[in-house]
This record gives sequence, structure tokens and C-alpha cells, in this order.
Amino acid sequence: TQTVSQSDAHVTVFEGDSVELRCNYSYGGSIYLSWYIQHHGRGLQFLLKYYSGNPVVQGVNGFEAEFSKSDSSFHLRKASVHWSDSAVYFCAVSANMGYKLTFGTGTSLLVDP
Amino acid sequence: EAAVTQSPRSKVAVTGGKVTLSCHQTNNHDYMYWYRQDTGHGLRLIHYSYVADSTEKGDIPDGYKASRPSQENFSLILELASLSQTAVYFCASRDWGGANTGQLYFGEGSKLTVL
Repeated sequence: TQTVSQSDAHVTVFEGDSVELRCNYSYGGSIYLSWYIQHHGRGLQFLLKYYSGNPVVQGVNGFEAEFSKSDSSFHLRKASVHWSDSAVYFCAVSANMGYKLTFGTGTSLLVDP
Repeated sequence: EAAVTQSPRSKVAVTGGKVTLSCHQTNNHDYMYWYRQDTGHGLRLIHYSYVADSTEKGDIPDGYKASRPSQENFSLILELASLSQTAVYFCASRDWGGANTGQLYFGEGSKLTVL
């Protein structure tokens, strides 16, 4: 059974700052990892994914994430945030590209202008 | 652009009443999902389906039924709504094949309030 944890419920930064949102997972086999963004009152939208290959993956809108097997992590980063990046970010895992995608509890990012 | 539409977007129901949430996708995806979102819990999987006329239980199926009459449509049914089922419900379809394999496409959500 795969599990995922997002240790920071809330993160606040200033516009132009860099940010890292943390995601740790637990599963012993091949794993599919992804990040989604949810703006207030909206559905979730896909940001990026990792399954194999280069552990640093690029996503939409300047986001990237790095997979680390040794740390069981898939942290999301952005070099310079904009106020419009304020949203809730969800990390999700799926074992062996299976049907079941398990979501973390989300990290609310607030970007002060 | 892949599209998933949910209806109704908002509903108030009485305890013990029947509620049906509908989902329609134009993505030609086989997999469809129903999640519920509660503050502090993220998204939890209720039911999913990978083919028409078949549904499977997710992690929290108690109190919910699902129906998949066609590839495009997937409904979530609360036969006897309870206060604890007040939540936002999301439908999603999942791409399987090609560059977007594994990606979920979500609807805008259905906010259900049970009184």
C-alpha cells in the first residue's frame, strides 16, 4: 500500500521568492508521482509527473520537482513565485502505474505581493 | 482540451434523502473516479470504474454507490444522505497511453451540504 505525506499544511512567501513544497512517500516498488494544483473553488489541475528517467522533471508554469529514491521524496520547487501561484498543492502517488492514485493532504501556498 | 463536467455544482440535501451527482467526460478515457475532499484529509477515493457497466470500490465506499452506464458518464449515488457526507466531490478521468499516461483530469467539483 502506498502512502504520501505533505508535512507543511501552510507555506507563506513573498512574490519573487523561491519555494519548495515537500512530499514524501512510502512504497517499496515502482512508483508514479505527480503534483496537482487547486485554485480556490476550482478542480485540481495537473502540474507534472515522474515515473522513470531523469529525476528532475519540469512542469507547467515554471514548476519543477525532483525525485529522490533514497529520501523517498518528490519535492516541488519554483525559483520565483508570482501572486497567482497562491493555491493548494497536492502530491499524489500510484504504485506501479496502477489504477489507484493516493493524494496527500495538500499544502496551501500563499504568495504575498 | 480534455473536459470533465459535473452536475450539480452545488446541492443542499436533507438527511435521509437521495442524492445523485453526475459526471460527464469527453476525453474518451476508460478510467473514471469519484473523490471527496474534506479539510485536512486531502482527496479520498470513493469509487472508480475502468469500463462501462462496471464499478469498483475505493478507500471509503460505505454509504455510496456508483453507476457507469457508458464510457462518458459516471454517477455517484447517496441513497440515504447523512450529515457526515457534507463535502466537496470531485470526478476525474484518467489518461492511459501516450505522453499523458496517468494524468487525471478533474471536474470543477460538486459541493454537497446535508442538513
